[in-house]
Amino acid sequence: ETGVTQTPRHLVMGMTNKKSLKCEQHLGHNAMYWYKQSAKKPLELMFVYNFKEQTENNSVPSRFSPECPNSSHLFLHLHTLQPEDSALYLCASSQRDRGDYGYTFGSGTRLTVV
Amino acid sequence: EDQVTQSPEALRLQEGESSSLNCSYTVSGLRGLFWYRQDPGKGPEFLFTLYSAGEEKEKERLKATLTKKESFLHITAPKPEDSATYLCAVQAGLVDGQNFVFGPGTRLSVLP
Repeated sequence: ETGVTQTPRHLVMGMTNKKSLKCEQHLGHNAMYWYKQSAKKPLELMFVYNFKEQTENNSVPSRFSPECPNSSHLFLHLHTLQPEDSALYLCASSQRDRGDYGYTFGSGTRLTVV
Repeated sequence: EDQVTQSPEALRLQEGESSSLNCSYTVSGLRGLFWYRQDPGKGPEFLFTLYSAGEEKEKERLKATLTKKESFLHITAPKPEDSATYLCAVQAGLVDGQNFVFGPGTRLSVLP
């Protein structure tokens, strides 16, 4: 399998649940990201990992907890979410030392908090 | 504060009717401007990177141009399969950070 794969594609969870989103990239990239995409709003950067080290936490609430065990896998652990956290969560990867790089995005996880 | 705006918010074209999408930006130290295409239910797909004013890049019916304050995505003789949301993003700053600021997107519909 190639590219960036996200699972699950859809997730419905209650406000007291704990769940995790998974992202896997097969591109050999050395940086991975979590983005949140809400309706009618620009993509919001949540977390950045370079070489497995978190280098950016864009003022994200602690109910979102990222984990990057290696350069190919990224998780987003969710707990006690709020309805306003319902959104499309996108994972992306890139190669930092490439001059003309763009992100490669996964297809996202559509999260609904009830 | 770095900002990116896109216009129009939505655009409906007839097949073959050429037009342009606009991306205006205010950033300190532009390192690159990126265009992405996003289909419903999918993640954004990388199209172009532009680095300096005057630069142009083409891919099939799409051509991206860059000035010091804005970028245009020109669509020539569009087809229904060009229907998507087009996102613009800028990377700014003096260090090799990876902070991209995305615009809200333009939703393009091409009618047969």
